Amino acid sequence: NAGVTQTPKFRILKIGQSMTLQCAQDMNHNYMYWYRQDPGMGLKLIYYSVGAGITDKGEVPNGYNVSRSTTEDFPLRLELAAPSQTSVYFCASSSFDPGQDTDTQYFGPGTRLTVL
Amino acid sequence: DAKTTQPTSMDCAEGRAANLPCNHSTISGNEYVYWYRQIHSQGPQYIIHGLKNNETNEMASLIITEDRKSSTLILPHATLRDTAVYYCIVRVRTNAGKSTFGDGTTLTVKP
Repeated sequence: NAGVTQTPKFRILKIGQSMTLQCAQDMNHNYMYWYRQDPGMGLKLIYYSVGAGITDKGEVPNGYNVSRSTTEDFPLRLELAAPSQTSVYFCASSSFDPGQDTDTQYFGPGTRLTVL
Repeated sequence: DAKTTQPTSMDCAEGRAANLPCNHSTISGNEYVYWYRQIHSQGPQYIIHGLKNNETNEMASLIITEDRKSSTLILPHATLRDTAVYYCIVRVRTNAGKSTFGDGTTLTVKP
C-alpha cells in the first residue's frame, strides 16, 4: 500500500492564482481530512469528508473548497490564493468502525505552498 | 473536544526513558486520549491511544491517571530518531475522527 499520497510536494503561487492540491489513499478509508500547518504551530482542520459525496467544514475553511467524488480521492481547491494561505497542507485518512477499537489517522507527506 | 496542556519543550538523554505529560482536566467520560508525533515537518504519525486503562504497544506506553485528568506518554528507551513534536489529543470517537492538534511538546533527544 502507498498509504496517503499528496501532489505536488512544493508549489509557489502568485496572489490571485488558483490551484488544486491532490490527495489519494489506497486503504479504502471512509474518512478523509485536510489540515494546514503554519510555521511553528499545530495543525488546523480545513475540511473533512465522511464518505464519497459528503464533506463538511473544519476550523479554517475560508478560501478553500473540496469535493469527494470517490472513496480514494479528496482534492483541495484554492480559488484566489492569498499570502495568508502560505502553509504546509496535510491530507489524512481514517477508517471508523464502531466495532473496532481504532480510528487511527494516517497522514500524507504534505504539500508546501508559498503564495507571493 | 477537551482542551489539553503540554509543556512546550523537553530534553531527554539517549537511551533513557522520555516521559511526556499532558493535562486534560476537562476530559469527558467518553473521550479518548490519543498521542501522535511529527518528525521534522513530516506528516504526523499515530503512537497510541487509551480511554481509562494504561496501554502499551511497540512504540510507547500510555499512563492515564485514575481521575483521567492527566496522562503521560512514555518512550522507554529514547533514541535520536525520537526527536519530534508530540501531540496529545483528547476527543470522542465519533463518526468523524477529526482531531484538534495543539502546539505539542518538542522533545529533543540528546546523545
